[in-house]
Amino acid sequence: GAVVSQHPSRVICKSGTSVKIECRSLDFQATTMFWYRQFPKQSLMLMATSNEGSKATYEQGVEKDKFLINHASLTLSTLTVTSAHPEDSSFYICSARDSALGAFFGQGTRLTVV
Amino acid sequence: SQQGEEDPQALSIQEGENATMNCSYKTSINNLQWYRQNSGRGLVHLILIRSNEREKHSGRLRVTLDTSKKSSSLLITASRAADTASYFCATVWRGSNYKLTFGKGTLLTVNP
Repeated sequence: GAVVSQHPSRVICKSGTSVKIECRSLDFQATTMFWYRQFPKQSLMLMATSNEGSKATYEQGVEKDKFLINHASLTLSTLTVTSAHPEDSSFYICSARDSALGAFFGQGTRLTVV
Repeated sequence: SQQGEEDPQALSIQEGENATMNCSYKTSINNLQWYRQNSGRGLVHLILIRSNEREKHSGRLRVTLDTSKKSSSLLITASRAADTASYFCATVWRGSNYKLTFGKGTLLTVNP
């Protein structure tokens, strides 16, 4: 299957700082990538849809200014959590769509804000 | 909400037994996908079944889809301890721009 690489896998940051998470499709081009958030023992909740070359589409209740998404190329989307607070601590997962095979997920990023 | 729901929420079986997990959804879909997630890790794509397909196999996995009942099942045969994980179904519903909507997952524990 297609490979999606997400980096970093784990990050600890201080409250008030910003953290950038990268999502790369390694062997296919993805015009659309998705960012999800997962709380412990819960399902994945879609945060936003990232479209290459255009603005991201955010789900209801997700702050655009807090979670900045950039999809500058067909293989890279980034999520920046700005002015992070402890309540932003979560597991963030990206996925990239391959038109033939479906959606494939990155390994996830465990964000801890202290 | 278009969110799917899996049942059971948790399933504990012995190695060698079969495990069946079910998923129900609410809207018309383009396809349904099953994923596996080990604790604290990313998701691994298992299988995709399109709305015009009724059954699909991949190794020890068998997925069925009943669009009239808006339900799907995932069967893992001859389970192994390494199959212990959470399993999620995700639907792509029509008009969603390929957004995946996840169910709550089934936590499968396979005891050696």
